[in-house]
Amino acid sequence: EAQVTQNPRYLITVTGKKLTVTCSQNMNHEYMSWYRQDPGLGLRQIYYSMNVEVTDKGDVPEGYKVSRKEKRNFPLILESPSPNQTSLYFCASSSHRETSYEQYFGPGTRLTVT
Amino acid sequence: DAKTTQPNSMESNEEEPVHLPCNHSTISGTDYIHWYRQLPSQGPEYVIHGLTSNVNNRMASLAIAEDRKSSTLILHRATLRDAAVYYCILRRYGGATNKLIFGTGTLLAVQP
Repeated sequence: EAQVTQNPRYLITVTGKKLTVTCSQNMNHEYMSWYRQDPGLGLRQIYYSMNVEVTDKGDVPEGYKVSRKEKRNFPLILESPSPNQTSLYFCASSSHRETSYEQYFGPGTRLTVT
Repeated sequence: DAKTTQPNSMESNEEEPVHLPCNHSTISGTDYIHWYRQLPSQGPEYVIHGLTSNVNNRMASLAIAEDRKSSTLILHRATLRDAAVYYCILRRYGGATNKLIFGTGTLLAVQP
């Protein structure tokens, strides 16, 4: 089954404690990205990757890092989480072909930073 | 990026058709119209997309106005499982980011 998986699904942590949210896809997609969803603000792109070792900032990259060492994985790293990073996070993937039209989203990770 | 406008919420009865409108008066010739939906406690999922002609798939139909300044997502027979937030998104191909710009969408309630 084609899918995007994220772990953990729920996480409560304290300010400053480094954490990683993993994302994996089994569709051999070149393109992967991270979004955060906040009430009243919709989904906003944090970082994206067009292929292995190719990453770039989205609209709200401050406080986040990413890496793309393998095609299937795109972890989101919070080196020093702060309360304003409390949010619902989604990973997405798609083919980067010009005719690509569908992005596949993971189930989400709900992060609370106290 | 061109903006879309949708009603905040709509209601429907189960097994009746639902027409979800979207206005995009500043759409450009290369913008595709995409619809995604987000079921409660899930990530967004693709529904349908189109450029100029009306489109049908197993989930829904997309009716696009002749001037492309508006479109309507049609669910032919709403079920309780269709209760979700529906997002109308304009997407221009060729960009590097493959970014989807989500607005606030339309919250669809389906009554039994």
